[in-house]
Amino acid sequence: EIVLTQSPGTLSLSPGERATLSCRASQSINSSYLAWYQQKPGQAPRLFIYGASSRATGIPDRFSGSGSGTDFTLTISRLEPEDFAVFYCQQYGSSPLTFGGGTNVEIK
Amino acid sequence: DVQLVESGGGLVQPGRSLRLSCAASGFTFEDYAMHWVRQAPGKGLEWVSGISFNGGSRGYADSVKGRFTISRDNTEKSLYLQMNSLRAEDTAFYYCVKDVVTGYRGNWYYFDSWGQGVLVTVSS
Repeated sequence: EIVLTQSPGTLSLSPGERATLSCRASQSINSSYLAWYQQKPGQAPRLFIYGASSRATGIPDRFSGSGSGTDFTLTISRLEPEDFAVFYCQQYGSSPLTFGGGTNVEIK
Repeated sequence: DVQLVESGGGLVQPGRSLRLSCAASGFTFEDYAMHWVRQAPGKGLEWVSGISFNGGSRGYADSVKGRFTISRDNTEKSLYLQMNSLRAEDTAFYYCVKDVVTGYRGNWYYFDSWGQGVLVTVSS
């Protein structure tokens, strides 16, 4: 099973600042099969990034994903008020599917 | 628009059973793999089980293997999760989620649609 470790656990930033979220895998993920989801309180998660760097439908271009192998990053270039939420990475390179523990992006 | 509506959650005693259902609409249900993902209150996400487009392939997390059974009815556009021998650690919100691929031979991908979730509480 591939274990995904997200860091930091909490990121305290102000609107307009840049956010960098990390997702590290315990072994190399085939073909960059990594996705990112955003979850707001009381809501279901929403797909943001797939294939490590492709934005899902309707996701603004201030969100970008990068990485390969075992190290992946989600970057938010300039935080908007609606971006404050928990972000999870998920690998689909091997079974079982696994999620990281999440990074909470909170308002400073 | 894709809609996934879960039902069947509630309070159940340890050791008992519960069956979750998910009604799907807004897409060609029989073309996609489907999954259950759970989230304990205040915790992270955990993949529970997946089923291929035609039910020919099924997968389970080790934590539920042998206790939970996933199934689907393509004529009814419905997904199910039969949960037996429930434990306190099964307490969670259970989400019905849609994969982006068929899931042929158990090749699961990522999830582009999620239901709102249903709460299962296992407690005496």
